[in-house]
Amino acid sequence: RKEVEQDPGPFNVPEGATVAFNCTYSNSASQSFFWYRQDCRKEPKLLMSVYSSGNEDGRFTAQLNRASQYISLLIRDSKLSDSATYLCAVTGYGGSQGNLIFGKGTKLSVKP
Amino acid sequence: AAGVIQSPRHLIKEKRETATLKCYPIPRHDTVYWYQQGPGQDPQFLISFYEKMQSDKGSIPDRFSAQQFSDYHSELNMSSLELGDSALYFCASSTRRYSNQPQHFGDGTRLSIL
Repeated sequence: RKEVEQDPGPFNVPEGATVAFNCTYSNSASQSFFWYRQDCRKEPKLLMSVYSSGNEDGRFTAQLNRASQYISLLIRDSKLSDSATYLCAVTGYGGSQGNLIFGKGTKLSVKP
Repeated sequence: AAGVIQSPRHLIKEKRETATLKCYPIPRHDTVYWYQQGPGQDPQFLISFYEKMQSDKGSIPDRFSAQQFSDYHSELNMSSLELGDSALYFCASSTRRYSNQPQHFGDGTRLSIL
């Protein structure tokens, strides 16, 4: 079983739709959680860190449930430019620092 | 703002050759991470350095080695290259001065083994 698991996708949604991605992690000692966005053949770009209280950045909302070891990302009012692969990442050796373990990513395609 | 710089962007090698990838972290970042991403795969952690010392080791083959220099740049040395080494290699940097700091990735080096 992979340490970080994500919705398989792909998600094909129309512009303006709201879409949610889920991610579960197995290492209860992990302290830091992130969502990255990756465009085809490009580097992962930090979308947002995920905090225990939940956090919002414009159209994006991230939530963390430590008890269920579950992270989510909500995108409201989807834009064509949101089309990308979304990677969930958690710190691998526990604590708040250290290498990242990624999920396999969920591909989002926003259509006109 | 300055980002992580990697070189070269593309590299073509033949089997059994060697390759050196370079990474220049964001200024004032003290930690460098190397990741390998194969086609259709998620990035896999190879190795990391904190303050010029090896910090953690992941799935890095014995044929690969890395180091971090006094100016904090890092190099990944790869020898006896195999076809399976063809991948995107990313370097990321962060700082441990504060907790929960995210890693920022460079553009990557695309390595192709013929």
